[in-house]
Amino acid sequence: GAVVSQHPSRVICKSGTSVKIECRSLDFQATTMFWYRQFPKQSLMLMATSNEGSKATYEQGVEKDKFLINHASLTLSTLTVTSAHPEDSSFYICSARDSAGNTGELFFGEGSRLTVL
Amino acid sequence: AQSVTQPDIHITVSEGASLELRCNYSYGATPYLFWYVQSPGQGLQLLLKYFSGDTLVQGIKGFEAEFKRSQSSFNLRKPSVHWSDAAEYFCAVTPSSGATNKLIFGTGTLLAVQP
Repeated sequence: GAVVSQHPSRVICKSGTSVKIECRSLDFQATTMFWYRQFPKQSLMLMATSNEGSKATYEQGVEKDKFLINHASLTLSTLTVTSAHPEDSSFYICSARDSAGNTGELFFGEGSRLTVL
Repeated sequence: AQSVTQPDIHITVSEGASLELRCNYSYGATPYLFWYVQSPGQGLQLLLKYFSGDTLVQGIKGFEAEFKRSQSSFNLRKPSVHWSDAAEYFCAVTPSSGATNKLIFGTGTLLAVQP
């Protein structure tokens, strides 16, 4: 199946710093990618839909100035957590569909665990 | 609005026993339905999916699921559970195969397997 790669898999940062997480589709093109957030022992909550070449669409309650999304190419989307605080500590997962395919299947990255001290 | 309900937060079964994880969805039409599995600290792996046709779908690792339109359900089953099946299972729905359609997840069911 198609592969989605996230980097870094784990990151620890100090409060007030910014952290960038990359999401790449390795063997397919994705005009749309999705960013999810997962708190411990909870489900995945959709944060935003990343659209190549245009602005991301954020879900209700997600601060777009806090979570900056850039989808500059058909294989790369980035999520930047700006001025991170301990409450931003979470597991962030990206996903994408093959733009050329028609299966509806969403391929997931392995996730990035952010810990803000 | 679409929603997905997984009534069982936590299930424990004995190794070798059968398993059924429940999933109900709320949507006006027949959506695309998925089951994913997540091991601790890992991403998600697709077990199986239903788009149309045969309502009983086979997946990987011996799992199957049955779509029942009348009950708006898509329950996951396995006849004999292995210890390695212990993980979190998520049911998910999307309205169609369109690349921009987002996937909505249920709250998950944590499966524990007793020896």
